[in-house]
Amino acid sequence: GAVVSQHPSWVICKSGTSVKIECRSLDFQATTMFWYRQFPKQSLMLMATSNEGSKATYEQGVEKDKFLINHASLTLSTLTVTSAHPEDSSFYICSAKGGSQWEWQFFGPGTRLTVL
Amino acid sequence: GQNIDQPTEMTATEGAIVQINCTYQTSGFNGLFWYQQHAGEAPTFLSYNVLDGLEEKGRFSSFLSRSKGYSYLLLKELQMKDSASYLCAAMDSNYQLIWGAGTKLIIKP
Repeated sequence: GAVVSQHPSWVICKSGTSVKIECRSLDFQATTMFWYRQFPKQSLMLMATSNEGSKATYEQGVEKDKFLINHASLTLSTLTVTSAHPEDSSFYICSAKGGSQWEWQFFGPGTRLTVL
Repeated sequence: GQNIDQPTEMTATEGAIVQINCTYQTSGFNGLFWYQQHAGEAPTFLSYNVLDGLEEKGRFSSFLSRSKGYSYLLLKELQMKDSASYLCAAMDSNYQLIWGAGTKLIIKP
């Protein structure tokens, strides 16, 4: 149990375009979802926390107008990187919390974004 | 401030035992997590400790001392597939995970 999927697994886009990444909890209801970014050989950096039906809470230094998060249901959260630039190229990982093992965060497989 | 410290890199031999230490300072405490992350992949959950003591789960064990702000992950009978980064994360009073930078474990034959 506790499976989290992410789509797409990898994406290459041109500078200035927008990219949407989906995160789904497949077998449990995720009351909270987290979006992380990880640059090569660096630790996970929390970008934002989203609770179903409410606005996401962004970490300091993360532009909410650039990284749009929508947590429309208990099983789906989306991250849209608007007007992507090469410096946004990174590994984006979502995690979800909920169900009986409420303390644990279960991670999606990640999305590797490359902006040309 | 909140801080997690763990060694950057460790090397061990296949079949041996290795202990990865983690010290933490958080605003409140709701548990200590260990995750394993292979290169290019997302982290996977290994263990969760909220009470003092040792939790054993197969070849992996995790220990917590709340009074010392200290935890370790013990890996026995090391296998080549255990080569990965091991992330320590403490949950603060707001139930938010504070992540360490990870310990890269290199296993040699």
